Amino acid sequence: AQSVAQPEDQVNVAEGNPLTVKCTYSVSGNPYLFWYVQYPNRGLQFLLKYITGDNLVKGSYGFEAEFNKSQTSFHLKKPSALVSDSALYFCAVRDPGGTYKYIFGTGTRLKVLA
Amino acid sequence: DGGITQSPKYLFRKEGQNVTLSCEQNLNHDAMYWYRQDPGQGLRLIYYSQIVNDFQKGDIAEGYSVSREKKESFPLTVTSAQKNPTAFYLCASSLGQFNDEAFFGQGTRLTVV
Repeated sequence: AQSVAQPEDQVNVAEGNPLTVKCTYSVSGNPYLFWYVQYPNRGLQFLLKYITGDNLVKGSYGFEAEFNKSQTSFHLKKPSALVSDSALYFCAVRDPGGTYKYIFGTGTRLKVLA
Repeated sequence: DGGITQSPKYLFRKEGQNVTLSCEQNLNHDAMYWYRQDPGQGLRLIYYSQIVNDFQKGDIAEGYSVSREKKESFPLTVTSAQKNPTAFYLCASSLGQFNDEAFFGQGTRLTVV
């Protein structure tokens, strides 16, 4: 069965420091992977996706993510965190051998401290 | 502006009452989805539709119903059979390919009073 795990409920990082939000996945085939961000009482906004090709994917607002097939991971990264990056982050997976469903992780709350 | 619109933003339901949440998109997307969000549980899929006049149950469909009579509309009805409906409901849409990202509405917060 398809699944996504975000092992950290919360990540705290100082402004200006690099940040990493972790995601691991389980699918039967080659995954399509997505990252979204959610601000309070709002919908999710798309940040980036991995489909195929280069393992380092660049997205919106300076975020990037690294796909690692051997570790079945897709960690979200940013070289220098901003206070405005504080939000809830979701990783999602789609299995092209499966259904059209997006399977989401439980979310990681990122807190960037000034 | 292209986008996906959910209404109302806030909704209050009395015990035993059915309520309908609206979701409209003008992105010409084939697929539409309803998710429920509860604190600490992430997003759980209620129903999804890949094409007009067709929809499938997600992981937590009990107590909910949907229709997809038009491409741009995918309303969700929360029935009295849903015992714990208080949650944040998110509607999303996507093009018909697996590598497409989903676009989300701003959500409806439903509270039972």
